[in-house]
Amino acid sequence: GESVGLHLPTLSVQEGDNSIINCAYSNSASDYFIWYKQESGKGPQFIIDIRSNMDKRQGQRVTVLLNKTVKHLSLQIAATQPGDSAVYFCAGSSGAGSYQLTFGKGTKLSVIP
Amino acid sequence: DSGVTQTPKHLITATGQRVTLRCSPRSGDLSVYWYQQSLDQGLQFLIQYYNGEERAKGNILERFSAQQFPDLHSELNLSSLELGDSALYFCASSGTGTSGSSDTQYFGPGTRLTVL
Repeated sequence: GESVGLHLPTLSVQEGDNSIINCAYSNSASDYFIWYKQESGKGPQFIIDIRSNMDKRQGQRVTVLLNKTVKHLSLQIAATQPGDSAVYFCAGSSGAGSYQLTFGKGTKLSVIP
Repeated sequence: DSGVTQTPKHLITATGQRVTLRCSPRSGDLSVYWYQQSLDQGLQFLIQYYNGEERAKGNILERFSAQQFPDLHSELNLSSLELGDSALYFCASSGTGTSGSSDTQYFGPGTRLTVL
């Protein structure tokens, strides 16, 4: 089945710097990946997604990179702000018409003012 | 605000009891997903319903069941509760939940279940 994991459990960055959060997956059949942000006491909030036929997708201050060769994806946050402090999860779907998401453990991002 | 609503926000109950969690999807969304978030297991997929029918099953215990009603709201029933069932339970919804890999799931605020 799908297995999605994160390289680092915590990440501290200075306000204004760029943040990079990494994620590895194991199932080559995964065709859809998504990043969520979860603030304390709230549900996961959609940030950005990417399909397996793409290797890069940009949003507002965020970029997701997908490297299918090494089964790795990353979330880049530009000019990190205190409001970006949260736990970030990557998730993937195993394809074959199933939309169930398999989540990684999460990376806690702390922004230092 | 994702547009997905969940009630109640908090639930405290005793072992052996049964509870029902409710979810209303975003307007127009046909698929509802239930996830459990615990400290040791992270976010785990439980079950998916699409337009009233069960579509996919994940790590859902036999003591747990769900259904989706004609108005598309969903309920997750947890019975014979154990201490280990204490967790956050999230509902998510998406437009179709069928083939095609770009159907974003939007999550509700969750129900925090505490079993004493």
